[in-house]
Amino acid sequence: NAGVTQTPKFRVLKTGQSMTLLCAQDMNHEYMYWYRQDPGMGLRLIHYSVGEGTTAKGEVPDGYNVSRLKKQNFLLGLESAAPSQTSVYFCASSPRVPDVLHFGNGTRLTVT
Amino acid sequence: RKEVEQDPGPFNVPEGATVAFNCTYSNSASQSFFWYRQDCRKEPKLLMSVYSSGNEDGRFTAQLNRASQYISLLIRDSKLSDSATYLCVVDSSGYALNFGKGTSLLVTP
Repeated sequence: NAGVTQTPKFRVLKTGQSMTLLCAQDMNHEYMYWYRQDPGMGLRLIHYSVGEGTTAKGEVPDGYNVSRLKKQNFLLGLESAAPSQTSVYFCASSPRVPDVLHFGNGTRLTVT
Repeated sequence: RKEVEQDPGPFNVPEGATVAFNCTYSNSASQSFFWYRQDCRKEPKLLMSVYSSGNEDGRFTAQLNRASQYISLLIRDSKLSDSATYLCVVDSSGYALNFGKGTSLLVTP
């Protein structure tokens, strides 16, 4: 079982560039989440989805957009990257709430 | 006030020692509690759920004190492989879980 797969694993962007992070899960989970993790800040929720076609803002949504067109995929977009978005991004899914989160391996993004 | 607070450590302990971490949470309506473990540059992984009656899994024991709004994790007979960051996680009465910033543990030979 692949579980939760994130692509890419690493990326370097220049300020102002755009990119999309892809999260795919094969566990048929309803709920999916995007977190960012920065040194000394812990995991902070960016956006989440409670089912196909739904999205909602988390704690730090500014500068990001998301889409959940298919149940198994949750995309995180950066329209105009800023150095403050340099971080490690984790996608997670769960079958119900509240319940255990299953995390992907993370995407390490650097914005120069 | 942050919803979930942990002592960041680091806790440096010798092999074989017993170490305890505490975590406090602010939302009295929270119902679900977890401890996750995160190794350096890896994703968080569930260590154990925390039940009202407390629970034990081998060398690990988790306790919940609803009245004081804190949960604890006790590790007995520490191993080198226990070195990691331990994350306290509490549900937010919504659709998401709130993570503490983590407590760093280093077990030394």
